[in-house]
Amino acid sequence: DAGVIQSPRHEVTEMGQEVTLRCKPISGHDYLFWYRQTMMRGLELLIYFNNNVPIDDSGMPEDRFSAKMPNASFSTLKIQPSEPRDSAVYFCASSFSFGSSTDTQYFGPGTRLTVL
Amino acid sequence: AQSVTQLGSHVSVSEGALVLLRCNYSSSVPPYLFWYVQYPNQGLQLLLKYTSAATLVKGINGFEAEFKKSETSFHLTKPSAHMSDAAEYFCAVSERGGKLIFGQGTELSVKP
Repeated sequence: DAGVIQSPRHEVTEMGQEVTLRCKPISGHDYLFWYRQTMMRGLELLIYFNNNVPIDDSGMPEDRFSAKMPNASFSTLKIQPSEPRDSAVYFCASSFSFGSSTDTQYFGPGTRLTVL
Repeated sequence: AQSVTQLGSHVSVSEGALVLLRCNYSSSVPPYLFWYVQYPNQGLQLLLKYTSAATLVKGINGFEAEFKKSETSFHLTKPSAHMSDAAEYFCAVSERGGKLIFGQGTELSVKP
């Protein structure tokens, strides 16, 4: 398997623009996670899905952020409008299970977002 | 609430020296504990995990970690550092059935 695939790898945009980040999880994984990594806050979970259904979005910072998973092989994280403080590396991860002893999350390479 | 504290944001060792990265956790129930490694411009890769079996856990690349309940610690060690070990290391905790909570990370530098 190719692992978790994210696109784009780098995104530079101007404040106020819409940004869409994309993720393809590992085939057969039922759970998908979106994380954000910043110097100030470290790695934080934004939202996760089970079988394409959002389970917990308590980490989504505000209404400007939204995430969807229209099918088992694709998810998007959208920021509209973007702000400079959204600049971060956004990771997508997937796993076969969640919360069990066999649970392992596999991370994608991340999207480095810069909002000017 | 669960939390993770990694002592030392930067650790520098010489090649061939012992690597010791410290992690302390807080959890109200027996936790699962993880160490991840992140190489520059890459995603996180699981090194090892503790899920209440043996307290000494062996992972990839010669790393191991020991779960010490009395000390609420899960320190990561490697007997002999290699240049390729230079990376950022994250300790994480989850309460079974719950989300991963990550520490702030420790950047490991290896000097020749």
